[in-house]
Amino acid sequence: DIQLTQSPSFLSASVGDRVTITCRASQGISAYLGWYQQIPGKAPKLLIFAATTLQRGVPSRFSGSGSGTEFTLTISSLQPEDFGTYYCQRLNAYPFTFGPGTKVDIK
Amino acid sequence: QVQLVESGGGVVQPGGSLRLSCAASGFSVSDYGMHWVRQVPGQGLEWVAFMRFTGSDKYYGDSVKGRFTISRDSSKNTLYLQMNSLRAEDAAVYYCAKGHPNSHDYMDVWGKGTTVTVSS
Repeated sequence: DIQLTQSPSFLSASVGDRVTITCRASQGISAYLGWYQQIPGKAPKLLIFAATTLQRGVPSRFSGSGSGTEFTLTISSLQPEDFGTYYCQRLNAYPFTFGPGTKVDIK
Repeated sequence: QVQLVESGGGVVQPGGSLRLSCAASGFSVSDYGMHWVRQVPGQGLEWVAFMRFTGSDKYYGDSVKGRFTISRDSSKNTLYLQMNSLRAEDAAVYYCAKGHPNSHDYMDVWGKGTTVTVSS
């Protein structure tokens, strides 16, 4: 199976900072990648699908890029409500595996 | 309003069985692909199972294949996860999720989860 890695595993940033999270696949997965945000105690929330498409209702400060084996999720200006853990997920073939997650802490 | 509500979690002994339910409202489970995802508290997400909207195609994670079965009852607008031969490592919060309208593989609506504990 194709494995996903995320970096960093943890980051602490200030409100207003630009934040970038990277997701790498062990083999090419075209653009079959989604990004989810999970606030502690809550269910995950879809942010980005098909690597670059912003889910309806998600603030425009979130953006996704990449294809093949390297993908990024960018938060252009970090807000207090953005703390939580971010997961990428590959959907090129079953099983649909998630990355290990990146925990974002607000300084 | 599109909503998913899971139920059926609880405490079960190793080797036992449990059936989780996911009641949908605001849409029909037979119109969308539907997923189950689980999460051990404090750990990451694990995709468990997916049923295509056709109902005929079902897919499972490697760790549950042969033990878990995803199904639905369209008349009750409910998704199920039958879990057999449960192991300690199956203990988790189980979420059901609806497939995205653009691509059912992505999960755009999630329930709040139901907790499964496997313990003797």
